Amino acid sequence: GAGVSQSPSNKVTEKGKDVELRCDPISGHTALYWYRQSLGQGLEFLIYFQGNSAPDKSGLPSDRFSAERTGGSVSTLTIQRTQQEDSAVYLCASSLRAGGSGANVLTFGAGSRLTVL
Amino acid sequence: AQSVTQLGSHVSVSEGALVLLRCNYSSSVPPYLFWYVQYPNQGLQLLLKYTSAATLVKGINGFEAEFKKSETSFHLTKPSAHMSDAAEYFCAVRPGGSQGNLIFGKGTKLSVKP
Repeated sequence: GAGVSQSPSNKVTEKGKDVELRCDPISGHTALYWYRQSLGQGLEFLIYFQGNSAPDKSGLPSDRFSAERTGGSVSTLTIQRTQQEDSAVYLCASSLRAGGSGANVLTFGAGSRLTVL
Repeated sequence: AQSVTQLGSHVSVSEGALVLLRCNYSSSVPPYLFWYVQYPNQGLQLLLKYTSAATLVKGINGFEAEFKKSETSFHLTKPSAHMSDAAEYFCAVRPGGSQGNLIFGKGTKLSVKP
């Protein structure tokens, strides 16, 4: 597509439930990133995928968080047993590639706002 | 470890005044540096990027930033603020090498007074 598409745009859930957030990157972009934006905390890196390489999961805050990317395109971020502190905006971005010698530009989606009651 | 520090979580200027948003980075390798802007209820949009080609980088909407290695800074400026510049601005660093993700600062919210 023309841009990075994320769904749902808003999700309200109860504590303890599982949620799935979806990201559809720009066609042809091999790298995909997930960030979490909390009030006053800036953007916190969660995970990124580059092609068929093993993802960099170094930013995932706990084992309740996981992500997968199917067919090198669409990605799903899953949060199990949600807690109130998981409430945030989850941003997805994609780029032509990750790493290397170039300043690869990340293009962001509008985000999925998660509220855990 | 690489990091980004943005001085001032809130900056307020009058319309027509100079905008200066500060960013300092730490990186053990020559970095790639970025400024992104986020308008209310929108995703982040790239303003400009530094790739070592030139120390003064011009971006969209009249913004520019200067890379100063000696000061490890990459401050964002605009000579004359416009009401439409009100947004949150994020500085980010990509350390270079094989690491692909960006490390962001906490952001600076810019308000523009009429």
